[in-house]
Amino acid sequence: GAVVSQHPSRVICKSGTSVKIECRSLDFQATTMFWYRQFPKQSLMLMATSNEGSKATYEQGVEKDKFLINHASLTLSTLTVTSAHPEDSSFYICSARDGLRQETQYFGPGTRLLVL
Amino acid sequence: GQQVMQIPQYQHVQEGEDFTTYCNSSTTLSNIQWYKQRPGGHPVFLIQLVKSGEVKKQKRLTFQFGEAKKNSSLHITATQTTDVGTYFCAGTGTSYGKLTFGQGTILTVHP
Repeated sequence: GAVVSQHPSRVICKSGTSVKIECRSLDFQATTMFWYRQFPKQSLMLMATSNEGSKATYEQGVEKDKFLINHASLTLSTLTVTSAHPEDSSFYICSARDGLRQETQYFGPGTRLLVL
Repeated sequence: GQQVMQIPQYQHVQEGEDFTTYCNSSTTLSNIQWYKQRPGGHPVFLIQLVKSGEVKKQKRLTFQFGEAKKNSSLHITATQTTDVGTYFCAGTGTSYGKLTFGQGTILTVHP
């Protein structure tokens, strides 16, 4: 099956620093990638939709200047949490939609962010 | 906007008992997908339902999509301890649209 990787898997940083998370589709081209955030014992909340070569579409309530998304190629999207604060600590998960099988999303393993 | 409600939030069963989780959408869905997330893990795709009234089976798991394409269910027969995890439904309102996740049902199976 299709594989999506995320890096890093876990990161601890100090408050005020920026953290970059990478999402890669390993064996297919992903014209669209999605970024989700999941707090403990809660559901996945869509943060933004990332389209290759264009600006990301952010969900209501998600600050685009705080969560910078870049989708520079058909296999890579990055999420940068700028000036991270403890309340940004969460599980960030990306998913990629196969360009050929449009309705199937493949999820990455997630990145656990802890901001001290 | 589109909302997807899922019940129950928690379900504790004895090994061997059956389990069902239900999903209801505020709007008609193009398709519905089901995912399983093990504790500490990420969501893993289980299945996608597209047709009205569709029923699909995967071993002990039975998935149904309602006639009106607004509700769905996942039924597990004779649960095993390996079934533990959170089961999420996720629907799209239009083809190729974004997924809206239900709240998930946390399943605990007691041996």
